Amino acid sequence: GAVVSQHPSWVICKSGTSVKIECRSLDFQATTMFWYRQFPKQSLMLMATSNEGSKATYEQGVEKDKFLINHASLTLSTLTVTSAHPEDSSFYICSARDARAGDTDTQYFGPGTRLTVL
Amino acid sequence: QQQVKQSPQSLIVQKGGISIINCAYENTAFDYFPWYQQFPGKGPALLIAIRPDVSEKKEGRFTISFNKSAKQFSLHIMDSQPGDSATYFCAASMMDSSYKLIFGSGTRLLVRP
Repeated sequence: GAVVSQHPSWVICKSGTSVKIECRSLDFQATTMFWYRQFPKQSLMLMATSNEGSKATYEQGVEKDKFLINHASLTLSTLTVTSAHPEDSSFYICSARDARAGDTDTQYFGPGTRLTVL
Repeated sequence: QQQVKQSPQSLIVQKGGISIINCAYENTAFDYFPWYQQFPGKGPALLIAIRPDVSEKKEGRFTISFNKSAKQFSLHIMDSQPGDSATYFCAASMMDSSYKLIFGSGTRLLVRP
């Protein structure tokens, strides 16, 4: 099956610093990747959609200058949380979709990255 | 109109019983309805998915029932096991919206031994 990895799995940083999270599709080429944020005991909230080689599309209310997304290749997307603050502490999860596969709707999720901002 | 409403919020079932989780949607343009299973501290894993042209889909112990006219779909877990204890999310997406998944609020399932 399709595998998506994330790195790091958890990160602790000081307030005001920037953190980069990587999302990789290991055995398929992801034409589209999605970034979600999940607070404890809540559902997944879509932050942005990124297509390889183009700018990300952000959901309403998500600050694009704070959450920088780069989808430079068909297997890698990165989310950078700039000037992180304690309220940015959350579980960040990416998913990937292979538009060239037979089932184009299926999204495969990564294991998530736990971000704690002190 | 983009919401997917999920119920119940939590569910306790005895081992061997049937777990039933329900979802409802408003937007008739949705054309893909997956169910995801999530364990604490992990990413969601796709369980089973259905399209509106099918009323039921079964994979092992997991069955989706889909009622297009009522705009509802449900997940049935037969012979529930303690290892099924997790949070389950329904979702919906449509091709015209870049396949973005709209998630339900989740159901925390506990299967007692």
